Amino acid sequence: QKEVEQDPGPLSVPEGAIVSLNCTYSNSAFQYFMWYRQYSRKGPELLMYTYSSGNKEDGRFTAQVDKSSKYISLFIRDSQPSDSATYLCAMSASGGTSYGKLTFGQGTILTVHP
Amino acid sequence: NAGVTQTPKFQVLKTGQSMTLQCAQDMNHEYMSWYRQDPGMGLRLIHYSVGAGITDQGEVPNGYNVSRSTTEDFPLRLLSAAPSQTSVYFCASCQVASGASSQFFGPGTRLTVL
Repeated sequence: QKEVEQDPGPLSVPEGAIVSLNCTYSNSAFQYFMWYRQYSRKGPELLMYTYSSGNKEDGRFTAQVDKSSKYISLFIRDSQPSDSATYLCAMSASGGTSYGKLTFGQGTILTVHP
Repeated sequence: NAGVTQTPKFQVLKTGQSMTLQCAQDMNHEYMSWYRQDPGMGLRLIHYSVGAGITDQGEVPNGYNVSRSTTEDFPLRLLSAAPSQTSVYFCASCQVASGASSQFFGPGTRLTVL
């Protein structure tokens, strides 16, 4: 069983829809939770970063972490065609050099059509 | 700043050949790492380094070698290429002092082993 599970989709939504992306994990040592966006044939770029539990909002994006359920989510409001990309969740533990050792989900392919 | 740069962008090797993937960053980041990305697998950590002269293994280190002689550079060596090493390789770096896992990724090297 993978440490981080993410539904690969693909997910196709109309422009303006609310998108919900999710990951579950099994390692209770994970403390840092990230969402990366990856456009086709490009490197991942950090979208949202959260430490421990709670919510974080940045414009149209909201990240939620529920450590009791080992579940994280990314919500995209008013989705745009430019949001079409692969979204990867990533996590790491704290302490020592663990913070930089990211464990990724498989990635969800999102298409927002006009 | 150029950020994280990787060369080459594309490479085709024959089984048994060796090569070095180059990675450089100009952000004075202590932490650097190599990931490989395969379809349906997300990104998996190969090797990482927390500073010049210090390297360690990640999740999938077999068949790869690294060294870190300077802060800026972190090359990845394939000792004897195998078809199973066909993948997209990403180099990443982050600042230790920030205490955050906000890694910057390079554009990737697409490697095909025949």
